[in-house]
Parts: sequence; C-alpha cells; structure tokens
Amino acid sequence: DQQVKQNSPSLSVQEGRISILNCDYTNSMFDYFLWYKKYPAEGPTFLISISSIKDKNEDGRFTVFLNKSAKHLSLHIVPSQPGDSAVYFCAANILEGSGGSNYKLTFGKGTLLTVNP
Amino acid sequence: NAGVTQTPKFQVLKTGQSMTLQCAQDMNHEYMSWYRQDPGMGLRLIHYSVGAGITDQGEVPNGYNVSRSTTEDFPLRLLSAAPSQTSVYFCASSYSHTSGDNEQFFGPGTRLTVL
Repeated sequence: DQQVKQNSPSLSVQEGRISILNCDYTNSMFDYFLWYKKYPAEGPTFLISISSIKDKNEDGRFTVFLNKSAKHLSLHIVPSQPGDSAVYFCAANILEGSGGSNYKLTFGKGTLLTVNP
Repeated sequence: NAGVTQTPKFQVLKTGQSMTLQCAQDMNHEYMSWYRQDPGMGLRLIHYSVGAGITDQGEVPNGYNVSRSTTEDFPLRLLSAAPSQTSVYFCASSYSHTSGDNEQFFGPGTRLTVL
C-alpha cells in the first residue's frame, strides 16, 4: 500500500516557466512533508519541508503548498532553471517506534523534472 | 566535513556471497539509516539506528543485518546475496530522530549487482 504517491513519473517545462510537482498521501497522521532532489549518481539532497499545521512554506524559488483536506501537496519552482533538472521525491514523516518516539520517512516514487533551455 | 561517505561505489557479487557496505558520517548525527532504491520505486527503508548500540528494522529488512558500535559508522551486511538485492543503496544521517522536519543527509550511494 503506497502511502505517498507521485503520479507523474516525468514533467518537462521551459526555462523561466513554473514547474509544479504534485504529491498525494493517504495517511492523515503524517506530521511533516519534505521534498528531496536527486541528480544522477548522487544521493538525494533536502530541498524544503512543511509542517502539517501549515499550508505554505517558501524558500527562494521553491514553495510548497499543503492541502490537508485533499491530502495533497505540491512543489512550485519559479522560475525554473536548467540546473533544476533532477528527480524530485516527495516524502512524509510520521512518529513510530516504541512509544511513538521515532520519526519514519516514507518516500514517493519520484518525478523526473526536465527544464529545457 | 566529508558528510556521509559510502564505500564501495560499485560492487558485483555472485548469488550466495556476503559483503558489507560501509557508511560513515562526521557530523555527530545520532540517527542513521539505510535505504534501497529500485527502478520505478521510491527509497525504501531497510534498517535504522537512533544511536550507538540501538538499531531497528525498516520496511524491507530481510536479508540484511546492521550494527552501530560507534556514532560515526553504520555498516550494512548482506548475509547471502540474492539477485533481488540488486539495487542502489543509500546511507543517510540526521541530527535528530525526534524532529519531523529534520533533514536527512544522504551519501552518494553504492550500486550493487548480484548475479
């Protein structure tokens, strides 16, 4: 049962335009949502996060929006640059473990973003 | 700081062989974890550790062992390699396991092929 879903395997946009990457989740107990970016032959790197009690978080060109009622979040990149071409993973954190003491991160399958010059 | 380092970068094994994937971090992070990434899949958690001497299973632990004798090192052992363990393995660390927005730092990965 996939709890974090990224239904678009790929997305292609023109340089300077907006990139919108979408993510859906099924577990309403997720506390935090994080986006990671991954270049080929490298490990993922953290991009931006949002708490489940917020609906927006912004960091430079990157904004994440959370719609709890729809169990949906999206990552907006404005303006998109060729260097943004990478796989983007949506991930969600939930408290687990004995006594609910550890956070466990669940990843989506990723979306390959290609920004064309 | 070197961050999170992993060795080897590439490895080819025969079915039934054993090996250890090494992971080290120099950030004094208490939380360390191992993930595997397969084509068309997200990263799946194999094992994790919240501190030296403490380990626990993740989503796909079968066929793997871990130990955490120091804060810095978190090796992953394949006991008897199987073709289904062909994957890219990532080690990650983070400062805390009790903060949900705490970012994890990933190593560059080990690409393992089991023939």
